[in-house]
Amino acid sequence: DAKTTQPPSMDCAEGRAANLPCNHSTISGNEYVYWYRQIHSQGPQYIIHGLKNNETNEMASLIITEDRKSSTLILPHATLRDTAVYYCIVRLFYNQGGKLIFGQGTELSVKP
Amino acid sequence: DVKVTQSSRYLVKRTGEKVFLECVQDMDHENMFWYRQDPGLGLRLIYFSYDVKMKEKGDIPEGYSVSREKKERFSLILESASTNQTSMYLCASTTGSYNEQFFGPGTRLTVL
Repeated sequence: DAKTTQPPSMDCAEGRAANLPCNHSTISGNEYVYWYRQIHSQGPQYIIHGLKNNETNEMASLIITEDRKSSTLILPHATLRDTAVYYCIVRLFYNQGGKLIFGQGTELSVKP
Repeated sequence: DVKVTQSSRYLVKRTGEKVFLECVQDMDHENMFWYRQDPGLGLRLIYFSYDVKMKEKGDIPEGYSVSREKKERFSLILESASTNQTSMYLCASTTGSYNEQFFGPGTRLTVL
């Protein structure tokens, strides 16, 4: 699975959009981009995933660049409850049992 | 809602004790996983299972074993606990290798 690079921390004002970047320059053609987040003292929670098209669900939007070497997770209207560590993971769609390789993630602090 | 439960939120054991961590999921998922999470090291996969009585080693299986006698239950066993196994242990399950993983709340184990 390709390695990802994320900034260690970011701040965002409550009610504003939070844009979390992720670099995955060694991604291969059959690898997907997944995002999870982990709120303090809880297990990680799935947010969204995509291959090459932009994706949107009730939690967030995922923008993947045309060359697929980077992506951005967008939380359109961040709330205090969105304060968490956000993990960008690149993996094969069908990989070894579905295991995830977590990096260090980005610690997002949403401030009032 | 999918529910993954873990037997304890907090556990304190002594060096050399045999420790059982239990995980139960209620969604008939085929795949189950055990991770440990340590500051600065992120989440690392210990073992996973893609069927009853089947198991595969993850990235850090040394010092651990697992048991999956029933589909809904996946146990992590520390045969002889050591202080370097003090960590947060997270269980996860998924219905397929490509689908999102659902995580339990975690067990914070302290080995004295």
